[in-house]
Amino acid sequence: GAVVSQHPSWVICKSGTSVKIECRSLDFQATTMFWYRQFPKQSLMLMATSNEGSKATYEQGVEKDKFLINHASLTLSTLTVTSAHPEDSSFYICSARSLGGETQYFGPGTRLLVL
Amino acid sequence: GENVEQHPSTLSVQEGDSAVIKCTYSDSASNYFPWYKQELGKGPQLIIDIRSNVGEKKDQRIAVTLNKTAKHFSLHITETQPEDSAVYFCAASRSSGGYNKLIFGAGTRLAVHP
Repeated sequence: GAVVSQHPSWVICKSGTSVKIECRSLDFQATTMFWYRQFPKQSLMLMATSNEGSKATYEQGVEKDKFLINHASLTLSTLTVTSAHPEDSSFYICSARSLGGETQYFGPGTRLLVL
Repeated sequence: GENVEQHPSTLSVQEGDSAVIKCTYSDSASNYFPWYKQELGKGPQLIIDIRSNVGEKKDQRIAVTLNKTAKHFSLHITETQPEDSAVYFCAASRSSGGYNKLIFGAGTRLAVHP
């Protein structure tokens, strides 16, 4: 149980285009989902927290107009990187947590490369 | 702000030896401490967690200890195997008042040599 999937697993795009990443909880209802970014050999950096049906809460320094998060259902959250640039290239990982739960279950990650 | 320090950053052991990773947290209100294992190119996987009302928890070759007074918690892996090689992250959070995001340590790269 507690499986989280992400799609796509990797994406290459041209600078200036937008990229959408999906995060799904497959066998539980995720009232809260988290989006992280991880650079090589570094720890996970929380970008934003989203509760189903509410606006996402962004961490300091994360541009909400650049990283659009939608959590429209209890099993799906999306992260859209708008007007991507090479510096946005990174490993993006989502996690999901059920109502009243403490444990965050992570997805397999999406590797983004912006050329 | 809240901080979690993790040591060592790298750890190399021989197969069959034990490995210990230590973390210290700053927020005394933290009450939930998970450990994640991340293999190359994959997302973190929860391997064990402990809550503040427990001092120790064990699951086969993995154990975690918590010292609330000192704000320390540790991961112990016994009889290490090559497949234990990965990056391990500790984290801390407080699950009250809606403030329950995980604060991660910097990670420990464990290498188990056959």
